[in-house]
Amino acid sequence: DVKVTQSSRYLVKRTGEKVFLECVQDMDHENMFWYRQDPGLGLRLIYFSYDVKMKEKGDIPEGYSVSREKKERFSLILESASTNQTSMYLCASSRTVNQPQHFGDGTRLSIL
Amino acid sequence: EDQVTQSPEALRLQEGESSSLNCSYTVSGLRGLFWYRQDPGKGPEFLFTLYSAGEEKEKERLKATLTKKESFLHITAPKPEDSATYLCAVLANAGKSTFGDGTTLTVKP
Repeated sequence: DVKVTQSSRYLVKRTGEKVFLECVQDMDHENMFWYRQDPGLGLRLIYFSYDVKMKEKGDIPEGYSVSREKKERFSLILESASTNQTSMYLCASSRTVNQPQHFGDGTRLSIL
Repeated sequence: EDQVTQSPEALRLQEGESSSLNCSYTVSGLRGLFWYRQDPGKGPEFLFTLYSAGEEKEKERLKATLTKKESFLHITAPKPEDSATYLCAVLANAGKSTFGDGTTLTVKP
């Protein structure tokens, strides 16, 4: 079974802090994704990556950046956290673009 | 712009009462449609992939079907453990998936 592991289940940070969310997958998948999930807005794509050191903007990249130095690890960075970034963050991976995504259990991030 | 609309938002069923969830979509070139199940506090879990109109997939009490404009997730004789939020996602030619807001299913014993 594919395992996607997110480093924290719950995280509380202060406005203006730089925040790192880490995600690791163990199935040698090419593609990795970061979403945020908010009530009434569904899952929205922040960034995705098709290969190491490669990244593409999703639908809501403002205020975020990503890093993929190794194939199995995809990091989401909040450069200067703001209260409107309080959300559930979900990481996913897939073998190819046409195949289903496998999700981690999410990080619930609160920005105070 | 790709759009996915799921209905109803919430569905309450008695155990054994069959029903269907709907996923309507408009997309520029459908490459695939995915159904996921999400339990509270967990990430979505993959259920089915459908690639072309007329295709059907089944797993236990669930059956997914696809037309050119919508997909249905049919639940036959549901049990309380089928209670979850069911998400639909479409993959377009641009290579990105667009998710619907989900249908929250509650099955009462």
